[in-house]
Amino acid sequence: EVQLVESGGGLVKPGSSLKLSCVASGFTFSSYGMHWIRQAPKKGLEWIALIYYDSSNKYYADSVKGRFTISRDNSKNTLYLEMNSLRSEDTAMYYCAKSGDYWGQGVMVTVSS
Amino acid sequence: DIQMTQSPSFLSASVGDRVTINCKASQNINRYLNWYQQKLGEAPKLLIYNANSLQTGIPSRFSGSGSGTDFTLTISSLQPEDVATYFCLQHNSWWTFGGGTKLELK
Repeated sequence: EVQLVESGGGLVKPGSSLKLSCVASGFTFSSYGMHWIRQAPKKGLEWIALIYYDSSNKYYADSVKGRFTISRDNSKNTLYLEMNSLRSEDTAMYYCAKSGDYWGQGVMVTVSS
Repeated sequence: DIQMTQSPSFLSASVGDRVTINCKASQNINRYLNWYQQKLGEAPKLLIYNANSLQTGIPSRFSGSGSGTDFTLTISSLQPEDVATYFCLQHNSWWTFGGGTKLELK
């Protein structure tokens, strides 16, 4: 059974950093591109980052480019999202997803003073 | 960027009803359109991929249709367990999502 489990969320102050993790199981993690998506309270879903199966390519939404970094460790079946210079508008539920077919349950990030 | 307009945003229907949810793309996305179901506190679940292909394990009362810019998710006979939020995703050019449809029982 495919499982994606996010962790690392929490309440942080504006300008601070946070690193999210997504541990994958039930499939060959190293063979698939992985995405991060977020949903702000009362708002729609927003794709924010993609990493290829071998980390050869990484892509970001304009809203996070230069502040967020997606990475992966295929030896640990883990996807990461390093978030720097956090803003109040980054407050959202963050999801990891495998190529569109499986999603995690999400982890909440709240940026507030 | 491709915009996805989903309608309706809220839907109330009775058990056994036929339910349709629509997504309209701002430009041609061929058939690169997925439909998801999300129940409160759960991960989104893929129902339909590439506009009309039923994901493994999904009941046959769910179906998808459309191509180009106009797409429809149909639930042929609504069941109580179908109460959820439904959203579409275009993956023709990056990813963009519809705004979601909250489906409740009447």
